[in-house]
Amino acid sequence: GNSVTQMEGPVTLSEEAFLTINCTYTATGYPSLFWYVQYPGEGLQLLLKATKADDKGSNKGFEATYRKETTSFHLEKGSVQVSDSAVYFCALSDRRGGSNYKLTFGKGTLLTVNP
Amino acid sequence: KAGVTQTPRYLIKTRGQQVTLSCSPISGHRSVSWYQQTPGQGLQFLFEYFSETQRNKGNFPGRFSGRQFSNSRSEMNVSTLELGDSALYLCASSFGTATDTQYFGPGTRLTVL
Repeated sequence: GNSVTQMEGPVTLSEEAFLTINCTYTATGYPSLFWYVQYPGEGLQLLLKATKADDKGSNKGFEATYRKETTSFHLEKGSVQVSDSAVYFCALSDRRGGSNYKLTFGKGTLLTVNP
Repeated sequence: KAGVTQTPRYLIKTRGQQVTLSCSPISGHRSVSWYQQTPGQGLQFLFEYFSETQRNKGNFPGRFSGRQFSNSRSEMNVSTLELGDSALYLCASSFGTATDTQYFGPGTRLTVL
């Protein structure tokens, strides 16, 4: 079956530090890949996505590239801010039946950014 | 454009009771999915509805059920509640086509005592 493995947290960084959160996946076929972010007490917000190999998703300074050869979708940001403190989830969609209706998530990585 | 809304936001029940959670999707979205989030198991897929039909189901017992109405609003029901059902229940909506993105609501926090 499909699975997503992301680096265990928590991750603690100082403001303006470089961020990498590793994510690798196992899937049949060609899934779409996503990063979602969850702020305390809230639901999930889509951060970025990529739908095919070599696509780069980007948003709010965050980037991730769909690497089919290494089955990876690592999240990066060049300079984090205190407001980036949240839990980050890597996810893939199951395209069987031609739909993205089922997301498989990683365990989540808690990021804390200190001033 | 209004986002996905879920009601109620918080719920406290006792073991053995049943509960119904509601989800209103983004206008125009026909697909609604439900997920359970717990500290131990993380985010797990419950089921997905599209045009009032269940298209896919996760590995949850039959106590968990759902339905979707003609206006795409969806409800999820859990019968005979157990302590382990305490979780954040998230609903997500999309157009339901091949390359769609799912947009999540704020969730309903269910506590079973």
